[in-house]
Amino acid sequence: GAGVSQSPSNKVTEKGKDVELRCDPISGHTALYWYRQSLGQGLEFLIYFQGNSAPDKSGLPSDRFSAERTGGSVSTLTIQRTQQEDSAVYLCASSFGGTQYFGPGTRLLVL
Amino acid sequence: DQQVKQNSPSLSVQEGRISILNCDYTNSMFDYFLWYKKYPAEGPTFLISISSIKDKNEDGRFTVFLNKSAKHLSLHIVPSQPGDSAVYFCAASANWRGSQGNLIFGKGTKLSVKP
Repeated sequence: GAGVSQSPSNKVTEKGKDVELRCDPISGHTALYWYRQSLGQGLEFLIYFQGNSAPDKSGLPSDRFSAERTGGSVSTLTIQRTQQEDSAVYLCASSFGGTQYFGPGTRLLVL
Repeated sequence: DQQVKQNSPSLSVQEGRISILNCDYTNSMFDYFLWYKKYPAEGPTFLISISSIKDKNEDGRFTVFLNKSAKHLSLHIVPSQPGDSAVYFCAASANWRGSQGNLIFGKGTKLSVKP
């Protein structure tokens, strides 16, 4: 069956530009999570959605980061005015009351 | 301060032998623990989990042991196979029961299984 998909798979952008990352969760999964993995680090939690609402945004590193989820399905993570330290792999996961299943990630490089 | 620690960044094991990956945590509120496996350019893949009410969970070649008093868990792979070569992440959650909490991850251990 279809797993979690993310697009784009790779994104190169210039410092100061805005980027949008997309996540399509597994059908029927009510919970959706965004994480990021910087070079040599573990996965860092960013934000969690239950349905369309985000009860936990505690991991967003700054107000340049925002995310939304519509129709209880697709989610977009937006990074405004990107900085070089935003370069990382951004991973999305979804779950239905249990184990989180991850997508392949979007590799973001800010030049 | 890291709440989940994997102190060995890498581990090399001979094919057929046992691989033991270790993980320590500091938050006594964690009630669910998971191991994920990650190949390059792919997302993490769920491997095995254990809740805090158990001290062992086994699935085929993979066994996870939990020592709550020591705040320590380990993943045993036996026998190890070259296809097991990957980065293994330990993760923990403090809000598992009845809801879905975000996961706190360690930095990972890169396992290399030599033929």
